[in-house]
Amino acid sequence: EAGVAQSPRYKIIEKRQSVAFWCNPISGHATLYWYQQILGQGPKLLIQFQNNGVVDDSQLPKDRFSAERLKGVDSTLKIQPAKLEDSAVYLCASSPRGGAGVTDTQYFGPGTRLTVL
Amino acid sequence: QQQVKQSPQSLIVQKGGIPIINCAYENTAFDYFPWYQQFPGKGPALLIAIRPDVSEKKEGRFTISFNKSAKQFSLHIMDSQPGDSATYFCAATGDSSYKLIFGSGTRLLVRP
Repeated sequence: EAGVAQSPRYKIIEKRQSVAFWCNPISGHATLYWYQQILGQGPKLLIQFQNNGVVDDSQLPKDRFSAERLKGVDSTLKIQPAKLEDSAVYLCASSPRGGAGVTDTQYFGPGTRLTVL
Repeated sequence: QQQVKQSPQSLIVQKGGIPIINCAYENTAFDYFPWYQQFPGKGPALLIAIRPDVSEKKEGRFTISFNKSAKQFSLHIMDSQPGDSATYFCAATGDSSYKLIFGSGTRLLVRP
């Protein structure tokens, strides 16, 4: 079974530029998560999708971050414009069921390391 | 109340030693406590998880101890090996919130 795929693996941009990350979850997984992992910290949930609907985006900085999940499968996370403090690893994860009242294993991709100069 | 506090920040043990990583939480609604292992350049991977209806869970060389009254849980790695060198994260969630709250991580180095 293929794992969660993410691209690109690395990205370096100047502040105020835009950047987009792509995630392909494990086939059949209903729930998709985007996390931000700042160096030396644990992952922090940015947004959670159940199929193609948003379940939780309470920690997503909506003035600059946006995300969508096309047809309930792939997802893109965009930052526009980027700030220095956005430098982090952006992790995508998926789980088979997810959603309120359900706890199941989240499978993480390798992440995209973003450096904002 | 949503925080999970993890210690120590880093840990060095000799091969065969038993590193112990501790976590504490405040939110009594949390009822699922997974541990994740992360190698450099990789995403976290689920290692072992526990629910508060048991005080201990073992899977191979990994053991979780859970103290519900103290709101603390810990990971023990028996007969640690150099290949266990990684960063370990505890996490917590409740069925009503489904959101994983991660600790800050512990960087473990097992010397040969």
